[in-house]
Amino acid sequence: DARVTQTPRHKVTEMGQEVTMRCQPILGHNTVFWYRQTMMQGLELLAYFRNRAPLDDSGMPKDRFSAEMPDATLATLKIQPSEPRDSAVYFCASGFKPLTGFGEKLFFGSGTQLSVL
Amino acid sequence: RKEVEQDPGPFNVPEGATVAFNCTYSNSASQSFFWYRQDCRKEPKLLMSVYSSGNEDGRFTAQLNRASQYISLLIRDSKLSDSATYLCVVSITGGFKTIFGAGTRLFVKA
Repeated sequence: DARVTQTPRHKVTEMGQEVTMRCQPILGHNTVFWYRQTMMQGLELLAYFRNRAPLDDSGMPKDRFSAEMPDATLATLKIQPSEPRDSAVYFCASGFKPLTGFGEKLFFGSGTQLSVL
Repeated sequence: RKEVEQDPGPFNVPEGATVAFNCTYSNSASQSFFWYRQDCRKEPKLLMSVYSSGNEDGRFTAQLNRASQYISLLIRDSKLSDSATYLCVVSITGGFKTIFGAGTRLFVKA
């Protein structure tokens, strides 16, 4: 079965360190989402790409977070410098959205559990 | 006010019960609606899309009321395996934003 692959599954780091999370979307999908999930906030949308172009990253703290899609098979989310409040599960999801039509169905990766000490 | 609001629960029901979840959304430009299911420590997975006319998939029925900006999910004949968190999802016009509700937790007990 096709699936979204995220690495690493778990990351423990110290405050101030750079964290890079990677996502391989499902082949043929043209949209990629990054979400962050905590007990308090639920799933928060951080960034959205369509055809590799960033369309919305308004949910992302710009001073320390950055999201890119260097090619169609790789999306990255970086935090620099990381802070304890960044501890959460980070999910990547991909979908296919045609030029016209409604929102796409999303397929999620298994997530990266990030702990910043 | 959050863009998508759900009753967090938890709902504790016996096997075989019928349970209903509600969800409201604030953006009238919302066009697409979904229910996702998330098991503990797992990723969300699509349960079903929600169509204007309402739709059914086995024991699950979804309804949409655009005038009231309200979505519902009905589960009939609950199974132990239905225990999970159910997430209401709304996609804004153009699909630029897909927003998740905080989820409603369901526990089905024997």
